[in-house]
Amino acid sequence: DTAVSQTPKYLVTQMGNDKSIKCEQNLGHDTMYWYKQDSKKFLKIMFSYNNKELIINETVPNRFSPKSPDKAHLNLHINSLELGDSAVYFCASSLGQGNTIYFGEGSWLTVV
Amino acid sequence: TQLLEQSPQFLSIQEGENLTVYCNSSSVFSSLQWYRQEPGEGPVLLVTVVTGGEVKKLKRLTFQFGDARKDSSLHITAAQPGDTGLYLCAGDNSGNTPLVFGKGTRLSVIA
Repeated sequence: DTAVSQTPKYLVTQMGNDKSIKCEQNLGHDTMYWYKQDSKKFLKIMFSYNNKELIINETVPNRFSPKSPDKAHLNLHINSLELGDSAVYFCASSLGQGNTIYFGEGSWLTVV
Repeated sequence: TQLLEQSPQFLSIQEGENLTVYCNSSSVFSSLQWYRQEPGEGPVLLVTVVTGGEVKKLKRLTFQFGDARKDSSLHITAAQPGDTGLYLCAGDNSGNTPLVFGKGTRLSVIA
């Protein structure tokens, strides 16, 4: 049983398209996150949700819109994809802010 | 903004060698976590250190939290190819904000 699962694992798409990445956690955690890891392996937080409510929204373009239908799910929708959006996107969860973070396996997005 | 600086950024060593990687900050953290990320996977927690001066061992890995809780080190004894990966440290600011991640040390152990 995968604790944090995200789909798709690989995604290749053209510039200008809209795409979504889905994430689910079965750990009963209250907090979920989206991280972006670029080609240099820098891991940067994008969003943090606590009990379906947005807590942290780091400086990311408003083309990125997270949606949390319930506290076990946090999906990421990206509009008008750009070349610079190519990266690995990790969904993660934790009991609360500052607790151990459990990461999904990542979604490898390539924009061509 | 609290920053965590990790060094070295890259490290390539032969199997059997010892190594130490560092995680430094000018800020105090209530705790510090170390994660390892293997290629194609997400980071996985290795250890959490909480008390200043604390030392924790995980087989051949020794983690130390600085007395002032501003820095940490990870020492690996007799490195093996299976230790290859990206080592990330992450600091907790008393649970009020998400963990702050360093940029990582990319370790390659050559057989």
